[in-house]
Amino acid sequence: ELKVEQNPLFLSMQEGKNYTIYCNYSTTSDRLYWYRQDPGKSLESLFVLLSNGAVKQEGRLMASLDTKARLSTLHITAAVHDLSATYFCAVGDTDKLIFGTGTRLQVFP
Amino acid sequence: GAGVSQSPRYKVAKRGQDVALRCDPISGHVSLFWYQQALGQGPEFLTYFQNEAQLDKSGLPSDRFFAERPEGSVSTLKIQRTQQEDSAVYLCASSPTANTDTQYFGPGTRLTVL
Repeated sequence: ELKVEQNPLFLSMQEGKNYTIYCNYSTTSDRLYWYRQDPGKSLESLFVLLSNGAVKQEGRLMASLDTKARLSTLHITAAVHDLSATYFCAVGDTDKLIFGTGTRLQVFP
Repeated sequence: GAGVSQSPRYKVAKRGQDVALRCDPISGHVSLFWYQQALGQGPEFLTYFQNEAQLDKSGLPSDRFFAERPEGSVSTLKIQRTQQEDSAVYLCASSPTANTDTQYFGPGTRLTVL
C-alpha cells in the first residue's frame, strides 16, 4: 500500500526566510504533484513532476523529484505572507492520487 | 473558463438521511474523481470514472456510498443512511484525458451529519 508522508506538518516562518518541505513516499511512482489549499478553499495545482531529477519553479516556489530516494521537496525562497496556506504533495497510484497529510505554512512579518 | 463546479456547497443532514452531491467537471474532461477530505487531513480517494465507466470504486468506504456518471459528464455521489462519520468535505476533480493528467479540483461540498 502506497503511503505518503510530509514533514513538517506545521511551519511558521518569517518573511524573507527560506525553507524546504519534504515529501516521502513508500513505493515506486512516476507521478508527483504539489497542490496548495487556502482555508475553506479547494486545491490549486502547483507542480507536476513526471521524471527522476525533474525540477520546476514558479515564483518563490521550486519543486524537485528524486524517484530513487522516493522523495520530493518543495523549496520556498524569501517567503512572503501570500504564501501562507496548506501544501499537499500527492503521488500517482494507478488511477488515483494518494495525498500526504499536508504542511500548514504560516508566514509572519 | 469555467472550472469544476459542485453543488450544494454546504449540506446539513440528519443521521439516517440520504444525500446527493453533484459535480460538473470541466467541459470535455474525460476523467472524473471523487475524494473525501476530513478536517485537517489530505483528500482520500473514493472513486474514478473514465467517461461513463466507473473504473475504480475501491475507495468507497461502504455500500452506503454510490456514484454515477451516466452520460459521461455530470456526476452524482450519493450517500444513503448518513452517519456522523460521513461528515467531511467531498471534493470532485476532473482531468482532460488519461488518469495521469493533472487533476483540477472543484470547491467541494461540506457535509455535516448531525
